[in-house]
Amino acid sequence: ETGVTQTPRHLVMGMTNKKSLKCEQHLGHNAMYWYKQSAKKPLELMFVYNFKEQTENNSVPSRFSPECPNSSHLFLHLHTLQPEDSALYLCASSPNLAGAVYNEQFFGPGTRLTVL
Amino acid sequence: TQLLEQSPQFLSIQEGENLTVYCNSSSVFSSLQWYRQEPGEGPVLLVTVVTGGEVKKLKRLTFQFGDARKDSSLHITAAQPGDTGLYLCAGLDSNYQLIWGAGTKLIIKP
Repeated sequence: ETGVTQTPRHLVMGMTNKKSLKCEQHLGHNAMYWYKQSAKKPLELMFVYNFKEQTENNSVPSRFSPECPNSSHLFLHLHTLQPEDSALYLCASSPNLAGAVYNEQFFGPGTRLTVL
Repeated sequence: TQLLEQSPQFLSIQEGENLTVYCNSSSVFSSLQWYRQEPGEGPVLLVTVVTGGEVKKLKRLTFQFGDARKDSSLHITAAQPGDTGLYLCAGLDSNYQLIWGAGTKLIIKP
């Protein structure tokens, strides 16, 4: 595998379910990100990790719980979600945590989440 | 609140036509990135512009950063079906946070 991979690609869950999204990057990067993408809206940054430490939590509801066991893996644990949480969830990585004007983010293909 | 407004939201044109899409803000950015996202995939970086007035070319795509580093444009010459996708701009603010636009959805019809 190369780049950034995400599993599953599609997920349908009920409001009472618990599920997890997985992201893995094979690029040797130090920073990883979770974004929410909804139609016709800007990407919403949810969480940022730098060297496994969470550095950003943009007022995300507690029903979303991130986990970063090492610099290559990132999880997003989901429980008691709402229908408005249906969206594309994107994982990204970058060499470092910003601080450089050329800091490119590499994205995975996303998980399309539908909450019934 | 910093905002990046992209226009138009949606554009559908015939193959061979030229087009320009815009990314505007009232805020100054250290740099601005353009990404393209194809259906079922994540965004992929096309270019980063850093200097006010900078112009970068990528084959048939021309990117320009405004003199005041508040806005940017993407011009595509002789559009092809392979150019179809969602074009996203993202500006790096003074706190080194990426501020994203909502995107321009481009469809090139054969």
